[in-house]
Amino acid sequence: EIVLTQSPGTLSLSPGERATLSCRASQSVTSSYLAWYQQKPGQAPRLLIYGASSRATGIPDRFSGSGSGTDFTLTISRLEPEDFAVYYCQQYGSSPGYSFGQGTKLEIK
Amino acid sequence: QVHLVQSGAEVKKPGASVKVSCKASGYTFTSYGISWVRQAPGQGLEWMGWISAYNGNTNYAQKVQGRVTMTTDTSTSTAYMELRSLRSDDTAVYYCARDSMYPPVYSSRWYGFDYWGQGTLVTVSS
Repeated sequence: EIVLTQSPGTLSLSPGERATLSCRASQSVTSSYLAWYQQKPGQAPRLLIYGASSRATGIPDRFSGSGSGTDFTLTISRLEPEDFAVYYCQQYGSSPGYSFGQGTKLEIK
Repeated sequence: QVHLVQSGAEVKKPGASVKVSCKASGYTFTSYGISWVRQAPGQGLEWMGWISAYNGNTNYAQKVQGRVTMTTDTSTSTAYMELRSLRSDDTAVYYCARDSMYPPVYSSRWYGFDYWGQGTLVTVSS
């Protein structure tokens, strides 16, 4: 089973700054099967990135994804007030299916 | 416009069963699958399983294998998730999410969980 470890656990930044969130896999992940989600309190998760680097429909271009193998990154180029939330990475492996990282909380400094 | 609308909150006693529904609209239901994801209070996301609305194939997470059954009713574009032998640690918000009709490894491309239901709180308490 592939385990995803996200870092940092909490990231404190100010609006306008750049955010870099990391997702590390315990073994190599097919880039096509790596996604990122944003979740705000009381809401369902929202898909941001699929295939490691493709933005989902309606996602602003300040969000970008990169990486391959075991190391993946979500970058938010200039933080807007609405970007402060929890972010999860997700991967698919044929057995046992999908798994999520434990999440990174992006909070206002 | 794609919508996934889930059934309402449930309170169950330990040992009971719960069945959560997820009604889809705005797309061809049988061209996709549905994954179920749960989130315990204050915790992260946990994938529970997937069902293809195309052919009914399923894939369950090992943690809930044997206690969960996922089904679909294509006549009403509704997916169901039944969890049996409930325990207190099953207390969570349960989400349905649109997924691919085949497992990603058999799909031409995987687009992630692109639409989600609003969530259903299931509380297990004596």
